[in-house]
Amino acid sequence: AQSVTQPDIHITVSEGASLELRCNYSYGATPYLFWYVQSPGQGLQLLLKYFSGDTLVQGIKGFEAEFKRSQSSFNLRKPSVHWSDAAEYFCAVGADSGGGADGLTFGKGTHLIIQP
Amino acid sequence: SAVISQKPSRDICQRGTSLTIQCQVDSQVTMMFWYRQQPGQSLTLIATANQGSEATYESGFVIDKFPISRPNLTFSTLTVSNMSPEDSSIYLCSARDRLYGYTFGSGTRLTVV
Repeated sequence: AQSVTQPDIHITVSEGASLELRCNYSYGATPYLFWYVQSPGQGLQLLLKYFSGDTLVQGIKGFEAEFKRSQSSFNLRKPSVHWSDAAEYFCAVGADSGGGADGLTFGKGTHLIIQP
Repeated sequence: SAVISQKPSRDICQRGTSLTIQCQVDSQVTMMFWYRQQPGQSLTLIATANQGSEATYESGFVIDKFPISRPNLTFSTLTVSNMSPEDSSIYLCSARDRLYGYTFGSGTRLTVV
């Protein structure tokens, strides 16, 4: 069974500072990897995804993530955070099984707090 | 990417009653999924719904409690049956888009009193 670990429940970052959110996954084959953001009372918004190819993936809002197979990681980064980035961030893994696409398995999320 | 309209956006229901949540996708999709997000928690997959076949439920979820319909390639419903306060959660539907990955509806915030 696949699993996702987000080791940091809360992260506090000063506005303008860089950010890295960690994500480790467990899956037997090459997974599809995703980062979603959820603001309070809002739905999920896709930041970026990795299916195959270039391991450095660019997303929306200035985010990027790097797939490292050897470390089973897909960490999310942003060079300079803005107050509006404060939200809950979820890493998720999916795959195509024999019967079609699997549903996603989500990590527990990382709550990002931005200090002025 | 596909756009999903989910309704209702929120509801307050009496225990013992049932609520049906609807999701409409603006394009044909093969796979649809239903998730539950309990207060302060992450998302948990309830079931996978393919058109023309019975839904496949994850461990801990049963059809009698969460019956799902998938009558065509653009529509699905999830019913939360015989509700109790423990069912108070956000329920989200999702569709698999081959190009863009997984798109989510805006969610249904359910409170059972």
